[in-house]
Amino acid sequence: GQQLNQSPQSMFIQEGEDVSMNCTSSSIFNTWLWYKQDPGEGPVLLIALYKAGELTSNGRLTAQFGITRKDSFLNISASIPSDVGIYFCAGRRSGYALNFGKGTSLLVTP
Amino acid sequence: KAGVTQTPRYLIKTRGQQVTLSCSPISGHRSVSWYQQTPGQGLQFLFEYFSETQRNKGNFPGRFSGRQFSNSRSEMNVSTLELGDSALYLCASSDRRESGGLGTGELFFGEGSRLTVL
Repeated sequence: GQQLNQSPQSMFIQEGEDVSMNCTSSSIFNTWLWYKQDPGEGPVLLIALYKAGELTSNGRLTAQFGITRKDSFLNISASIPSDVGIYFCAGRRSGYALNFGKGTSLLVTP
Repeated sequence: KAGVTQTPRYLIKTRGQQVTLSCSPISGHRSVSWYQQTPGQGLQFLFEYFSETQRNKGNFPGRFSGRQFSNSRSEMNVSTLELGDSALYLCASSDRRESGGLGTGELFFGEGSRLTVL
């Protein structure tokens, strides 16, 4: 599958801070998705992006589909303790399976 | 609408045994994908089924197999288990209507089956 590089690998922040993470690919994707996984659970879809340049928000979360179609970023504003978890980017080329980054582990202290 | 259901949630097997995991997709979804999740490798794609046909396959040995039934339910099987097969096996369904075709392609995951091989 296509290689996805997700960074940072982990983040340790204080409540109220903003967070930014990104994903880059060696291939062009048609779709970028961002997921969050809590311990013992399956990943939950946060945001889906379908067009280059697209900027989409879901509450305090904002994600963008890079104009080169090889990257995407996710921002979380004013973090709260329940934002703790592992965030995954995922990209898909038409006709191929969804490939995942290795995740960004987010820890938020009150 | 019920989500993706996976059974069993937890299981313990010994080396050399085989295991079958089951997945019921969201009602109306005809595409089912399977992923293996381990701490070191993250989410690794196993296979994807659509309308009882395997559409994509990941880079796993032949010990890993799957199938999909006419009601879109899917099973995956791992034979001759090895210690390294210990992982969380995740099933996801989507509304993809054909390979690379219509539907959002967004995957909705179940809670997974946690396999421990001793």
